[in-house]
Amino acid sequence: GAVVSQHPSRVICKSGTSVKIECRSLDFQATTMFWYRQFPKKSLMLMATSNEGSKATYEQGVEKDKFLINHASLTLSTLTVTSAHPEDSSFYICSAWSGSGNEQYFGPGTRLTVT
Amino acid sequence: GIQVEQSPPDLILQEGANSTLRCNFSDSVNNLQWFHQNPWGQLINLFYIPSGTKQNGRLSATTVATERYSLLYISSSQTTDSGVYFCAVEEKLTFGTGTRLTIIP
Repeated sequence: GAVVSQHPSRVICKSGTSVKIECRSLDFQATTMFWYRQFPKKSLMLMATSNEGSKATYEQGVEKDKFLINHASLTLSTLTVTSAHPEDSSFYICSAWSGSGNEQYFGPGTRLTVT
Repeated sequence: GIQVEQSPPDLILQEGANSTLRCNFSDSVNNLQWFHQNPWGQLINLFYIPSGTKQNGRLSATTVATERYSLLYISSSQTTDSGVYFCAVEEKLTFGTGTRLTIIP
C-alpha cells in the first residue's frame, strides 16, 4: 500500500515553455500533498503544501505564479512550471499524506531539464 | 526555523560492515522520519520514530527526543544499502543534510 506515482519521470523542455507534472496517490486518498525540489547532491526543500479543493500554501521564496499547484481531487495534484528557464532545472518530488497516521509517502520524482 | 544536521556527510564501507548515522535537530519535534533515497531518486520510508527505538531487519533507529538527536543503525551492509539517508522532522517535513552511503563489494 501507500503508492505514489509521478508523471513524467523525465522531461526536457525549451526555455519559455510550461511543463506540467502530475502526482497521484494510487491506493489511498491524499488529504494533503507536498511538492519538494532537490538540487544535485543536496537535500529536499519544501516548495508548497496543497490540500484538496483549496489553494496551495507556498514556502517563503517560492514564486506562486511560476509554480502553479492544483489539487483537484483526493488522488491527484499537479505542479506546472510556467515560462521555464534553465535555472528551473531540478528534480521535483511530490509526497502524499492520507490524513491519518504520521507518514508522508513519496513519488519517484521528475527530472526537469530546461534548455 | 528548525535546523537538522546529519553526520557523517559521506561514508564508504565494505560490504558486511556496520554503520551508525546521526541526525541532530535544533528544537523539540513531534515527528521524525528516516528515509533512504536510492540511486534513482526514490525516497523510501524507513522509520517513523519521534522517540524510542524501532527495528526492522538489519536496520534499527533510536531517537532521544530530550537530547534532540536520532541514530540510524545499519548492520551487515549490502550493496543495495547504497544511497543517501535523510532524516526529516515535523509535519511539514524539514529534511536534514543527508548522509551519502556507499557500500563496496
